[in-house]
Amino acid sequence: DAMVIQNPRYQVTQFGKPVTLSCSQTLNHNVMYWYQQKSSQAPKLLFHYYDKDFNNEADTPDNFQSRRPNTSFCFLDIRSPGLGDAAMYLCATSKLGGANEKLFFGSGTQLSVL
Amino acid sequence: GEDVEQSLFLSVREGDSSVINCTYTDSSSTYLYWYKQEPGAGLQLLTYIFSNMDMKQDQRLTVLLNKKDKHLSLRIADTQTGDSAIYFCAESIRSNDYKLSFGAGTTVTVRA
Repeated sequence: DAMVIQNPRYQVTQFGKPVTLSCSQTLNHNVMYWYQQKSSQAPKLLFHYYDKDFNNEADTPDNFQSRRPNTSFCFLDIRSPGLGDAAMYLCATSKLGGANEKLFFGSGTQLSVL
Repeated sequence: GEDVEQSLFLSVREGDSSVINCTYTDSSSTYLYWYKQEPGAGLQLLTYIFSNMDMKQDQRLTVLLNKKDKHLSLRIADTQTGDSAIYFCAESIRSNDYKLSFGAGTTVTVRA
């Protein structure tokens, strides 16, 4: 009954080699988010889509891009991963965004950079 | 510094109450949340409180909000081994389009 699905669960890439993480949802929610979570740190919002409208956080590096080809899918592209990009990447959805919106999270993709 | 701060670890005996504390800096917080993350899983919303409330109870969970001190706590009564997890405090602020700002999480370990 998974509602927000992230693939793969674990991803290993090489320094500088582009990598794509995927997220899909069965909730038909308007908003999809990507968070970066490093060990013992707060999840950090990278960007989110409201429908097709892309909203980048001011401090998200250009190295991180995202695509949302349809309501159900959203991708996180890391163009040239560095060692500092090793982290857990969490996808989340919410129905409309706004006050008191409940976020539904996927299980995350743990990215390792060699 | 971080907008939302939590202590990193809490150890509690099974059957006792757990109290997890959180402080935040933005006085215009609209809603405050507690999320739970079990090993290998995503975050799951446990409970939330609107900023004009000072207490909310939901079964074994009690949320206390002190707006003056910008302090939020989560009390778990009769803590069970299944409560072992990381607990994240988060706030949403209207001026930030209600996007959530999370704390670093408190790892709760329940010992027999």
